[in-house]
Amino acid sequence: GESVGLHLPTLSVQEGDNSIINCAYSNSASDYFIWYKQESGKGPQFIIDIRSNMDKRQGQRVTVLLNKTVKHLSLQIAATQPGDSAVYFCAENKGTYKYIFGTGTRLKVLA
Amino acid sequence: NAGVTQTPKFQVLKTGQSMTLQCAQDMNHNSMYWYRQDPGMGLRLIYYSASEGTTDKGEVPNGYNVSRLNKREFSLRLESAAPSQTSVYFCASSERSVLAIYFGEGSWLTVV
Repeated sequence: GESVGLHLPTLSVQEGDNSIINCAYSNSASDYFIWYKQESGKGPQFIIDIRSNMDKRQGQRVTVLLNKTVKHLSLQIAATQPGDSAVYFCAENKGTYKYIFGTGTRLKVLA
Repeated sequence: NAGVTQTPKFQVLKTGQSMTLQCAQDMNHNSMYWYRQDPGMGLRLIYYSASEGTTDKGEVPNGYNVSRLNKREFSLRLESAAPSQTSVYFCASSERSVLAIYFGEGSWLTVV
């Protein structure tokens, strides 16, 4: 979800378990959403996207769910691995060149 | 695949100095962007270029200028650096609007 101040919310997950990361988006007119993964010292990496005419989209080990009624987006990661440890954030777009980015959730994978 | 390449990776500037961050993409994308990332805040758009030959202000353009040199390259210039411009800067590109944006690896800038 969204963070407050400098401290990101952290999700700790046991290796092999499924992870669910949530994001509340701000604009009901947004019609395109992206999930990014950002490892320490690196740039954001595209994971998966979804348009507002869909409720669910699946990729390799990842699923994004969109609930437009409550303006909520979630990223599910199956069989979480140590390499999944990173900050995950969502982005929304309502048809322009201006994307709104969340501050992110830190995922820690416990061995 | 190089994707989006930006230089330099790290830079320390004194207040009042100028510098240019360089960015190039090899994905034949039409649109390019410059963002800054600060602790506790989401990425904020400084400037973008919807297509070659055009540039527009984003959310936080003050103190910056940009040049879309050609379809591949989009540079960001700080004319007179200020401590408030200490940040991580990311260049990004997309095929067009409302499509996925792909980011470079970032440039860490410290202004003292």
